[in-house]
Amino acid sequence: NAGVTQTPKFQVLKTGQSMTLQCAQDMNHNSMYWYRQDPGMGLRLIYYSASEGTTDKGEVPNGYNVSRLNKREFSLRLESAAPSQTSVYFCASSVGTGRGETQYFGPGTRLLVL
Amino acid sequence: AQSVTQPDIHITVSEGASLELRCNYSYGATPYLFWYVQSPGQGLQLLLKYFSGDTLVQGIKGFEAEFKRSQSSFNLRKPSVHWSDAAEYFCAVGANFGNEKLTFGTGTRLTIIP
Repeated sequence: NAGVTQTPKFQVLKTGQSMTLQCAQDMNHNSMYWYRQDPGMGLRLIYYSASEGTTDKGEVPNGYNVSRLNKREFSLRLESAAPSQTSVYFCASSVGTGRGETQYFGPGTRLLVL
Repeated sequence: AQSVTQPDIHITVSEGASLELRCNYSYGATPYLFWYVQSPGQGLQLLLKYFSGDTLVQGIKGFEAEFKRSQSSFNLRKPSVHWSDAAEYFCAVGANFGNEKLTFGTGTRLTIIP
């Protein structure tokens, strides 16, 4: 099992460019999440998908869109990148959204927006 | 609203010495509490979690944490650290809602010196 995989590992964008971050999990999990990690801020939830076909906003959704393509894949799209979106992005998955379910994280995507 | 405070941004410990990382939470009822570890360039890995019952929780890699309701704390401990424990450690709290409502602390970076 690869667990949670993310592509790309690194990306440099210019302001205004668009890109999609890909995430896939092979653990047959129902729920998937996108977080961003900024220095001194911990992890903050951008969007999540409780199950295939559903998505909901997290704490910091502005400037992002998501697609739950199927049970395995959950993508994050930046339509018009801004320097404030420079961050490390983590995808995670869990069996469900029940209280206390363990979230399994991917290795992250480092994004730099110039 | 729930919150997590990790008061120590950076801790340096000698190899073989004991370790305690502090975590204080704010939540009205009994929370779900987690400790995650992030090795350099990696995603987060769950060390341990507390739901209810025994307030001393054992985790992976020889870590343990103690839930103290009176102090609103969930400190992480290890009796003897190894060089491979150098990483960033995150405390997180979940509330009455679903798993998507995890709130992470800002992290404590652990450096191990020979």
